[in-house]
Amino acid sequence: GAGVSQSPRYKVAKRGQDVALRCDPISGHVSLFWYQQALGQGPEFLTYFQNEAQLDKSGLPSDRFFAERPEGSVSTLKIQRTQQEDSAVYLCASSLGAGVIGDTQYFGPGTRLTVL
Amino acid sequence: KQEVTQIPAALSVPEGENLVLNCSFTDSAIYNLQWFRQDPGKGLTSLLLIQSSQREQTSGRLNASLDKSSGRSTLYIAASQPGDSATYLCAVPGRSNYQLIWGAGTKLIIKP
Repeated sequence: GAGVSQSPRYKVAKRGQDVALRCDPISGHVSLFWYQQALGQGPEFLTYFQNEAQLDKSGLPSDRFFAERPEGSVSTLKIQRTQQEDSAVYLCASSLGAGVIGDTQYFGPGTRLTVL
Repeated sequence: KQEVTQIPAALSVPEGENLVLNCSFTDSAIYNLQWFRQDPGKGLTSLLLIQSSQREQTSGRLNASLDKSSGRSTLYIAASQPGDSATYLCAVPGRSNYQLIWGAGTKLIIKP
């Protein structure tokens, strides 16, 4: 595909359920990022992968959040025991280089998660 | 800690007007600043990137300026069109090269 894709686009979960959000980056992109965007706010950094290595997970809000990129391409963000405060749009982005300043990040359309 | 603020939060103007969106940041030691556009359901698109050594960048009807010393950037949109309606966000690098610190955005509506 030409761009970053994410699935599902919308997810409704009951409080306490586990969810898995998928990101397909642009083929060949080394870096992959996850962001959380609350309504009316800018995105907030969650985690960063360089190929299959998770180099930074400092933005993950709790140990209920887990991300992986086992083969250095597709990534999954998993949220366990979802809470209402987890409701947000989860954005995935990829970039060609490895942590290069100013390297353009290409964003997917996001997954809107609503926790009831 | 770097903080990014955008004013106004929302703006509605008639088609054809020139307009300015503002972005301010608290730590002037930035490598660059980016402006993004966000359309509902379509993710974010990078519009302009200004390096710290530059004062402005232009792309079509868009012109972004950067004044590091005052911690400010502006995005100028000339001859606005309804298709410019979107949320515009600015972002600067965080403590790591790859992290971006974002403003909350300005929601722009261009009325036909």
